[in-house]
Amino acid sequence: EADIYQTPRYLVIGTGKKITLECSQTMGHDKMYWYQQDPGMELHLIHYSYGVNSTEKGDLSSESTVSRIRTEHFPLTLESARPSHTSQYLCASRSLLEFYNEQFFGPGTRLTVL
Amino acid sequence: GQQVMQIPQYQHVQEGEDFTTYCNSSTTLSNIQWYKQRPGGHPVFLIQLVKSGEVKKQKRLTFQFGEAKKNSSLHITATQTTDVGTYFCAGMRNTGNQFYFGTGTSLTVIP
Repeated sequence: EADIYQTPRYLVIGTGKKITLECSQTMGHDKMYWYQQDPGMELHLIHYSYGVNSTEKGDLSSESTVSRIRTEHFPLTLESARPSHTSQYLCASRSLLEFYNEQFFGPGTRLTVL
Repeated sequence: GQQVMQIPQYQHVQEGEDFTTYCNSSTTLSNIQWYKQRPGGHPVFLIQLVKSGEVKKQKRLTFQFGEAKKNSSLHITATQTTDVGTYFCAGMRNTGNQFYFGTGTSLTVIP
């Protein structure tokens, strides 16, 4: 079982609120990712990080921001939530070692913006 | 636009029948991974393929990477109800470090 955690698991908030989705892993992985996934659809990469103080935007345009101050922690922040942000957000991590490319996914946060 | 396509989008099979999903990339890939996502769950890694023409087996599952490293397939022999879920391929391009997930194939197994 992967040691990667996401909180909250479910969140219902009103439009305009600022929210932070938490992601932590205890595997010492350098690479971490945030994906957005609508029900039954593919995963879209929104942010990724190769290590502390490294963050990059993925291909999906997003109004969210991320930070990587500690190796184990990769929070995602929405400054002003909108109904279009309603989705599932999945955090993943993987080792920098070339052979071990497996991505370990957290359980996800299901976000609903009213 | 969508860089990794999978077909079919949905597949319903009787338990015991075989199942295949195909993954096609518009660009050459350095490697490809396969994940399974159960309903309401998160993706779980199944396997990684790296070499051109590579074939790997896991019990009833057979994975193949095309010679041109632009397509891949997953074949399940004699499906069981535990195989239910959505199967995603995820390809990494030669020029980058991101994985591009396919559109997924949702498998339903009818007992």
